[in-house]
Amino acid sequence: ELKVEQNPLFLSMQEGKNYTIYCNYSTTSDRLYWYRQDPGKSLESLFVLLSNGAVKQEGRLMASLDTKARLSTLHITAAVHDLSATYFCAAVNFGNEKLTFGTGTRLTIIP
Amino acid sequence: DAGVIQSPRHEVTEMGQEVTLRCKPISGHDYLFWYRQTMMRGLELLIYFNNNVPIDDSGMPEDRFSAKMPNASFSTLKIQPSEPRDSAVYFCASSRNRVVYGYTFGSGTRLTVV
Repeated sequence: ELKVEQNPLFLSMQEGKNYTIYCNYSTTSDRLYWYRQDPGKSLESLFVLLSNGAVKQEGRLMASLDTKARLSTLHITAAVHDLSATYFCAAVNFGNEKLTFGTGTRLTIIP
Repeated sequence: DAGVIQSPRHEVTEMGQEVTLRCKPISGHDYLFWYRQTMMRGLELLIYFNNNVPIDDSGMPEDRFSAKMPNASFSTLKIQPSEPRDSAVYFCASSRNRVVYGYTFGSGTRLTVV
């Protein structure tokens, strides 16, 4: 059974700083997704990572995938307040479409 | 594109009552998923459909839960009878090309069973 773990669970950081959220998954997966969720809102798709070494960037967020280590990272550069949200990674088993989510990382950016 | 549409947005019901949650996927999407989100258990996949056919319902917690997709534009998740531990936010998601676009989530239904 595919398991997805994220750390840290909670992250409080100052504006302007850099930080990384880590996502480990337990078995081979052919796709890795990152989502953002604001309080009381739905999930917004951020990135889809498909292959080993894949790197995608959007604004101050950059996601990467290492399939050999079964690790994905979400790097935040020069954080700003509007990045405060909960970030989820999710992986898919080979051969089916069961998207399994990590526990989420609640990010709070402090002015 | 109106996105994935869920109704109702909020539902408060008494224990033992039947609850029906509704979802309209994005037109042209061939996969539909039902998720449940709670603080304790996070996001759990309950069931998913491909071309209106249920593919995997192993996440449905018990027989009180049932889901249907009578056509490509409509799905329901029914809980009968409801219990307080069913209180959660229920999300519907749909997808067409998961490699490129991923999964699009609806706004969710917040269910409270008292």
